[in-house]
Amino acid sequence: NAGVTQTPKFQVLKTGQSMTLQCAQDMNHEYMSWYRQDPGMGLRLIHYSVGAGITDQGEVPNGYNVSRSTTEDFPLRLLSAAPSQTSVYFCASRPRTGNTGELFFGEGSRLTVL
Amino acid sequence: GESVGLHLPTLSVQEGDNSIINCAYSNSASDYFIWYKQESGKGPQFIIDIRSNMDKRQGQRVTVLLNKTVKHLSLQIAATQPGDSAVYFCAEWGHGSSNTGKLIFGQGTTLQVKP
Repeated sequence: NAGVTQTPKFQVLKTGQSMTLQCAQDMNHEYMSWYRQDPGMGLRLIHYSVGAGITDQGEVPNGYNVSRSTTEDFPLRLLSAAPSQTSVYFCASRPRTGNTGELFFGEGSRLTVL
Repeated sequence: GESVGLHLPTLSVQEGDNSIINCAYSNSASDYFIWYKQESGKGPQFIIDIRSNMDKRQGQRVTVLLNKTVKHLSLQIAATQPGDSAVYFCAEWGHGSSNTGKLIFGQGTTLQVKP
């Protein structure tokens, strides 16, 4: 298994541009989430999904859209990038059932908005 | 609102000593409390978790203690090694449900291991 795969690893955008961060997992996990991590801070939840066709907002959803058309993929869209969205973005997944609190994280996507 | 916080931003220990990293939380309804390790340039990696109905759980060289009376969580690392140098985050499943993927993180403690 590849686990959770994020692309691209690095991206530079200009203010106002749009882009999509891709996230795919091959573990058949129902739950997927997007977090952002700013310097010296913990991870803040942007959006999450409990299964295909279902998404919900996290702590900091403004400026981001998500969709979940398949179990495997959970893309994060920035419609009009702003410098405040410069951050490292992490995608994570977990199975719906189980007796653990573990989330499986990708390696991150570093985004810079100029 | 709920919050998860850590007492110290940086902890420096001598190689071979034991490390204790502390965390305070506010949401009494959480199902799980979890510790993650994040090395530079990588995603967080699960270390150990503890259910809310437990006080202590041990793993390999790590122990997590949960004190629900004072809403305090700690991670103990035995015989700290240079490879343990990283940022450590505590986290909790928000709103008392571990089925939503809504994991709330604290700000992190940097563990520095001196040779």
